[in-house]
Amino acid sequence: ILNVEQSPQSLHVQEGDSTNFTCSFPSSNFYALHWYRWETAKSPEALFVMTLNGDEKKKGRISATLNTKEGYSYLYIKGSQPEDSATYLCAFISVSNYQLIWGAGTKLIIKP
Amino acid sequence: NAGVTQTPKFRVLKTGQSMTLLCAQDMNHEYMYWYRQDPGMGLRLIHYSVGEGTTAKGEVPDGYNVSRLKKQNFLLGLESAAPSQTSVYFCASSYSMGNRDSPLHFGNGTRLTVT
Repeated sequence: ILNVEQSPQSLHVQEGDSTNFTCSFPSSNFYALHWYRWETAKSPEALFVMTLNGDEKKKGRISATLNTKEGYSYLYIKGSQPEDSATYLCAFISVSNYQLIWGAGTKLIIKP
Repeated sequence: NAGVTQTPKFRVLKTGQSMTLLCAQDMNHEYMYWYRQDPGMGLRLIHYSVGEGTTAKGEVPDGYNVSRLKKQNFLLGLESAAPSQTSVYFCASSYSMGNRDSPLHFGNGTRLTVT
């Protein structure tokens, strides 16, 4: 059974501080990893699609890294703002069936 | 460009009632998916479709049926609703199989309560 774990489950961060959280996934049969941001009362929106070991992608103050050999990805947020409050989801895709296996998410709350 | 549209947004059913959730996308995507999201759990795939006229079972298909008669529409049916089907349902679509270069585009969700 493929398992994707995200940690921590929730995180409170002071506005202006930087933070990061982790997505762990199986280190074999890697095909791709997705990151999504899910704001309350909205639908998940894609942040990054990561495919190569060592990938680093950036969108504004948010960036992500990928280590397929050890099975983890980090999401970093620099200088957190209230609008960053959301649940961040990762999804692992294996070459065995090309289906997305979702983590349960990290809920980020930015305190003003 | 509306993206992915789900209807209805909210619904309350009594045990044993039936209903259909409609998902429509205007991005000409081949692949469409129905997920359910429950507290403390990741999104779980109910059924999916790799093209018009095709459907396949996902992780939690029991109690649900789907149809993809037109490329742009993917319907999710509950024939006899049960309280265990109380959940938030999300439809999604994507351009390519495997999603290596193509993220999912989600609808806004349907909150279903079965009493």
